Amino acid sequence: DTGVSQDPRHKITKRGQNVTFRCDPISEHNRLYWYRQTLGQGPEFLTYFQNEAQLEKSRLLSDRFSAERPKGSFSTLEIQRTEQGDSAMYLCASSPGSGQRTDTQYFGPGTRLTVL
Amino acid sequence: AQTVTQSQPEMSVQEAETVTLSCTYDTSENNYYLFWYKQPPSRQMILVIRQEAYKQQNATENRFSVNFQKAAKSFSLKISDSQLGDTAMYFCAFMNWDFGNEKLTFGTGTRLTIIP
Repeated sequence: DTGVSQDPRHKITKRGQNVTFRCDPISEHNRLYWYRQTLGQGPEFLTYFQNEAQLEKSRLLSDRFSAERPKGSFSTLEIQRTEQGDSAMYLCASSPGSGQRTDTQYFGPGTRLTVL
Repeated sequence: AQTVTQSQPEMSVQEAETVTLSCTYDTSENNYYLFWYKQPPSRQMILVIRQEAYKQQNATENRFSVNFQKAAKSFSLKISDSQLGDTAMYFCAFMNWDFGNEKLTFGTGTRLTIIP
């Protein structure tokens, strides 16, 4: 079990550019979550998937944000026309999704985005 | 909407001592889950302990235990015989009971430093 992986680990971009992050969940985990963590704050929920279906989106996820999980395995989070306020750590988590309410969410190391 | 409050931004304790981290939450739900997550410096978040609200018995995991007071909406974490490896940010988190509503709501965290 290799754990949740995220790529890249760090991304520096200029305002107005588009960025895309990738998350690979633990093998056979059906549920995948995206959170955003700004400095000095706890993670905030963005969206989550059950297999390839996106089941919930936070109001934090503006029109510039889009997430996909096309084959129910890895997921991508794209931010278009980045703004300085998008600078944050983007965390991905996965859980078995077995229907057990005590499923633990396992977190990846995060992608730190800096928008100049 | 649920909220989670951690009123201690920073704490420090001598190695081998016991420390208690506080967490309060607000919800109108009767059934839910509570979690403590640990985020070591530059490392990914890991689950420390979880508590089901319907269980009266406080959860325990080795040196980690909780004091769950449902009526008071309080969920504190006690770390016994603290070790240098316990140095980390600790986040309290809440999750609804309902299927399809499984996002975690985090507090702002407590930075814990174990002093050698």
